[in-house]
Amino acid sequence: GAGVSQSPSNKVTEKGKDVELRCDPISGHTALYWYRQSLGQGLEFLIYFQGNSAPDKSGLPSDRFSAERTGGSVSTLTIQRTQQEDSAVYLCASSLDRGSGSEQYFGPGTRLTVT
Amino acid sequence: AQSVTQLGSHVSVSEGALVLLRCNYSSSVPPYLFWYVQYPNQGLQLLLKYTTGATLVKGINGFEAEFKKSETSFHLTKPSAHMSDAAEYFCAVSDAGGYNKLIFGAGTRLAVHP
Repeated sequence: GAGVSQSPSNKVTEKGKDVELRCDPISGHTALYWYRQSLGQGLEFLIYFQGNSAPDKSGLPSDRFSAERTGGSVSTLTIQRTQQEDSAVYLCASSLDRGSGSEQYFGPGTRLTVT
Repeated sequence: AQSVTQLGSHVSVSEGALVLLRCNYSSSVPPYLFWYVQYPNQGLQLLLKYTTGATLVKGINGFEAEFKKSETSFHLTKPSAHMSDAAEYFCAVSDAGGYNKLIFGAGTRLAVHP
């Protein structure tokens, strides 16, 4: 079956613009995670969704970052007023449930470059 | 708080040689441990995981890892490296009993030369 998909695969934007990154998880997966991979910070957790609610937003770096999930499926990560330090690869992962040890399946990522 | 340390940001081995990638963790609760591999311009793929039970875990592509509680380690090994093993490898711990978010190490880039 289809894996986790993300769009766009690459996004170049000017500093100060808003961007939206999309994640389509594996069908039936209730848990969805966003991570960010950057040269300086490595791989870091951003936000976790269980269904449409986000009980853990602890990794969002600032209030310019927000995310939503609708219909228990597609999720959108929005970055407002982008800064150069937002340049990174944004990875989405989904798992069947949030049970400890449940395998997370990762998408290919969206590479964001802020100029 | 949980954390993961991967010793060696770059490891280089000859084809056919033993691969050993080191991972140490810190956790106040029994950890769940993972190794992921990332090939260039691709997402992360699970190699293997430890949750409970047998401490020697076998994964895909001939990799295995042993959970050693006394050493707080979860080193990844493969007896014989193949050129196709060249990639970046990440060790991770999840917050057992929480939301299963992953805490990653900094990664080790493995190079395999002929």
